[in-house]
Amino acid sequence: DVKVTQSSRYLVKRTGEKVFLECVQDMDHENMFWYRQDPGLGLRLIYFSYDVKMKEKGDIPEGYSVSREKKERFSLILESASTNQTSMYLCASSQREGGYEQYFGPGTRLTVT
Amino acid sequence: RKEVEQDPGPFNVPEGATVAFNCTYSNSASQSFFWYRQDCRKEPKLLMSVYSSGNEDGRFTAQLNRASQYISLLIRDSKLSDSATYLCAVNMWNFGNEKLTFGTGTRLTIIP
Repeated sequence: DVKVTQSSRYLVKRTGEKVFLECVQDMDHENMFWYRQDPGLGLRLIYFSYDVKMKEKGDIPEGYSVSREKKERFSLILESASTNQTSMYLCASSQREGGYEQYFGPGTRLTVT
Repeated sequence: RKEVEQDPGPFNVPEGATVAFNCTYSNSASQSFFWYRQDCRKEPKLLMSVYSSGNEDGRFTAQLNRASQYISLLIRDSKLSDSATYLCAVNMWNFGNEKLTFGTGTRLTIIP
């Protein structure tokens, strides 16, 4: 079974703090993704990576950056957290790029106060 | 028009009934389709892929209608444990990058 883990289930941060969300997958998948999920808006893609040290912007990259130094690990960084970044953050991985099935981690519910 | 669209529901269905919901997509070139199940405050989990010929997994049947650009999910003999939000996912292209685009989900509640 594919296993995707995320560093925290719940996180509370203050406005302006730098926030790191980490994701690790154990299936040697090439591709990793970061989404945020908000009521009524569904899953929105923030960034994705098809290879180590490679990153591509998704639909809503503003205010976020990512890092992929190792194949199994994909980090999402909020440079200066704001209240509108309060959300559920989901990491996913897939064996191949593009339109292949993705497997999700348990999510991090981030609250920025 | 949204790229992937689902009826948000909620669908409130008695236990044992059959329920079906659809997901429409905008890009006629899409080739990959999936249904995910998401329980409250949990991550989406892959339920099934949708193949051109349709496919079945126990009480669940997925269909693809290319002409009308929608996929469907049918649940027979519904159980209380089927209560969840069901997300569809379709591959799309954006600036040359292929990605999965998710619908906002259909909430299903099975009533005892």
